[in-house]
Parts: sequence; C-alpha cells; structure tokens
Amino acid sequence: DAGVIQSPRHEVTEMGQEVTLRCKPISGHNSLFWYRQTMMRGLELLIYFNNNVPIDDSGMPEDRFSAKMPNASFSTLKIQPSEPRDSAVYFCASSFTSGNTIYFGEGSWLTVV
Amino acid sequence: GENVEQHPSTLSVQEGDSAVIKCTYSDSASNYFPWYKQELGKRPQLIIDIRSNVGEKKDQRIAVTLNKTAKHFSLHITETQPEDSAVYFCAASPQGSGNTGKLIFGQGTTLQVKP
Repeated sequence: DAGVIQSPRHEVTEMGQEVTLRCKPISGHNSLFWYRQTMMRGLELLIYFNNNVPIDDSGMPEDRFSAKMPNASFSTLKIQPSEPRDSAVYFCASSFTSGNTIYFGEGSWLTVV
Repeated sequence: GENVEQHPSTLSVQEGDSAVIKCTYSDSASNYFPWYKQELGKRPQLIIDIRSNVGEKKDQRIAVTLNKTAKHFSLHITETQPEDSAVYFCAASPQGSGNTGKLIFGQGTTLQVKP
C-alpha cells in the first residue's frame, strides 16, 4: 500500500485566497484524521471522520475551516479565506477502527503570505 | 476532554546514554498510549505503543512503561545513537473515542544525541 497520500505537498498562497488540501487514506481504513502542526501549538486534532461521517470537529479553529469526506477514499480540508496565521503543516492520517494505530501522510506544508 | 502533558520539551544526551521522556494524561478511561518519532521535515511514525492492560513493553532499545493509577507513561531509549535524534510525541486515546482511533498528542520532546 502507498500509505496515506496528501496533496499538495507544498503550497504558498496569498492571504484571502481559498486553499484546498486533499487526502487519500490507506485502503480499508475507516477513520480519517486532520491534524495541524505548528511550533507553538504542536500537533492539534482538527477533525476526524469514522466511516465517512464527521465525529468530532471541535478542533476546527474557525468557520473559515471546513472538511468533507464524500467517500471512503477521499477527504478535503478547505480554508476560505486563508490568513497568515494558518501557515502550518497539515497532516492527514488514517486508521483501522479496531487497530488504533494512526498512520500519517507526508503532510501539506502551507504558507500564507 | 483529554489533556496530555509531555516533559521535557528538549533533551540532550551523549551517545550511548539513556533517554527518558515522560507523559501524563487526564482521562482515566484512556486505554491506548502510542509513541511517535518525527524526524526533521518528515511525518510522525509509530515506534512503540502500549495498552492499558500492560505495564511495560520493550522493543530492542526502546521500552514504554505505564502507570494507570498515576496516569503517566514513559518512553525509555537505551544506548542512544545519533539517529535517535528527532522529536518524540506521546499520545493517548481518550474515552468516548470508542474504536475510532482518535489520539490526543503531547507537545513533543526534541531529543538530541551528541556523538
């Protein structure tokens, strides 16, 4: 298996622009997580899905952030409009329900200028 | 909700020495405690984990101990090598996450192993 696949790997965008991050979980995994990593706040759980259903989005910082999982093999995290403080590494991760082990993607490095 | 505290934030040791990183958690119902290693510019990767029905687990030079009464768990690395230099994260799976695999992470410990 290729593991969790994220795109884009790097994105530089101007403040106010819409950003869409994409994730393909490991085949067969039924939980998907979006984490944000910054120096100041570490690894923060933004939202997670189980069987394509959002379970907990309490970590989503603002209404500017939204996430979808239209099917078992694809999820998006959207920021609209983006702000410089959104600059971070966004990790997507997936797991198999009873296994607990979370596998991370390579991350999407976002810079908002 | 669950809160995971990790100490120290940075740790510097000489090659060959041991390193210990400690974490505490708040949710007594948490039952799964993994440790992840993140090298610079890379993704976090699982190195060892422990479940609440076990007090200690070893895998070569690394070991994890769990004290459920005190709600803390520790990572021990023996005979450290320069390639052990990385950021280490502990995590806990809180109550209510059921089998969804939700993890709450500690703040991370930057380990530097000096040759």
